[in-house]
Amino acid sequence: GAGVSQSPRYKVTKRGQDVALRCDPISGHVSLYWYRQALGQGPEFLTYFNYEAQQDKSGLPNDRFSAERPEGSISTLTIQRTEQRDSAMYRCASSRTGTSEAFFGQGTRLTVV
Amino acid sequence: AQKITQTQPGMFVQEKEAVTLDCTYDTSDQSYGLFWYKQPSSGEMIFLIYQGSYDEQNATEGRYSLNFQKARKSANLVISASQLGDSAMYFCAMRVRSGSARQLTFGSGTQLTVLP
Repeated sequence: GAGVSQSPRYKVTKRGQDVALRCDPISGHVSLYWYRQALGQGPEFLTYFNYEAQQDKSGLPNDRFSAERPEGSISTLTIQRTEQRDSAMYRCASSRTGTSEAFFGQGTRLTVV
Repeated sequence: AQKITQTQPGMFVQEKEAVTLDCTYDTSDQSYGLFWYKQPSSGEMIFLIYQGSYDEQNATEGRYSLNFQKARKSANLVISASQLGDSAMYFCAMRVRSGSARQLTFGSGTQLTVLP
């Protein structure tokens, strides 16, 4: 596609529910990243894929968070048993290679009530 | 580990004036890239400019230029002829090229306000 597409744009969920956030990267981009951004702060790294391989998941805060990119294109970030502290903007980015500039999607605003 | 420091939480500039947003970084890697992103109130993250650690010339993109001083580990963004539409949060980020780590590390941002 023309840009990185994320869905849904907004998600409100009850504490304890699971959520799945989707990212459709720019066509041909091999690298895909997930970030989390709190209000007024810079994005914090969660995880990185090169093609379908999850190369780095050191930023995932705990084992309730997982991500996959099974065919090397669309990726899903899943948060199980959501907690209020998970509320944030979740951003996906993709880049042509692992060292070129990364382009961000519009983000998914997650609110856990 | 990499670290980005942006010491200016907020900056004001008069329309048509130039403004410099500060960014210092810390890494032990010799090969890395430095990036600036703009985040307007709409929330999107817009890539502005990139500088590689081995690039000899400072990067420029239209009204944006990156003042890269490797010895001082600084990568300041200069915006010339400020426009009202430049009002936004600006983030400095870096990515090392060695090893398998590929994530961008971001600073805390600078909120720029352009005054008419």
